[in-house]
Amino acid sequence: EAQVTQNPRYLITVTGKKLTVTCSQNMNHEYMSWYRQDPGLGLRQIYYSMNVEVTDKGDVPEGYKVSRKEKRNFPLILESPSPNQTSLYFCASSLYTGGFAEAFFGQGTRLTVV
Amino acid sequence: AQKVTQAQTEISVVEKEDVTLDCVYETRDTTYYLFWYKQPPSGELVFLIRRNSFDEQNEISGRYSWNFQKSTSSFNFTITASQVVDSAVYFCALSGGGSNYKLTFGKGTLLTVNP
Repeated sequence: EAQVTQNPRYLITVTGKKLTVTCSQNMNHEYMSWYRQDPGLGLRQIYYSMNVEVTDKGDVPEGYKVSRKEKRNFPLILESPSPNQTSLYFCASSLYTGGFAEAFFGQGTRLTVV
Repeated sequence: AQKVTQAQTEISVVEKEDVTLDCVYETRDTTYYLFWYKQPPSGELVFLIRRNSFDEQNEISGRYSWNFQKSTSSFNFTITASQVVDSAVYFCALSGGGSNYKLTFGKGTLLTVNP
């Protein structure tokens, strides 16, 4: 089954404790990205990657890091989480860039930073 | 800059009513793509439709239909004979077709269908 898998689904952590949210897709998609969803703000892009070893900032990259060492994986790293990073996070992948194909989204990761 | 406006924050209807969710977009790109996603209470994002800027044909899929009008920069979504299972947040989104396949989302419309 074609899917984007995020882990964990739920995470509660403390301020400053490094964490990684994993994202993996099994569709051989080139394009992957991360979004955060906040009430009243919709979804906003954090980082994206057009292929292996190619990553770039989205609209709200501060406080986040990503890496793309393999095509299938695109982890989101919070080196020193803060309460304002409490949010619902989605990973997405797409076969092509530029909107030619639909984006597949993971199930979401609900992160709470206390 | 791209922008998507969903002016309706919340809509509440009774089952079997028809309901239209509005979406207005702004972009300077001549080639762009419009999307609708559904987010049920379980939280995942479900793809509903993609429409490119060259195709203004309306689309119908079962009880769902979409009306794309370039002249008014709108891409509205109608659910006919709504059902309780349609209760969800619906997002309209825009992609500019550039190298960054970034989806610019509207803030979403919470649809509640009451029995």
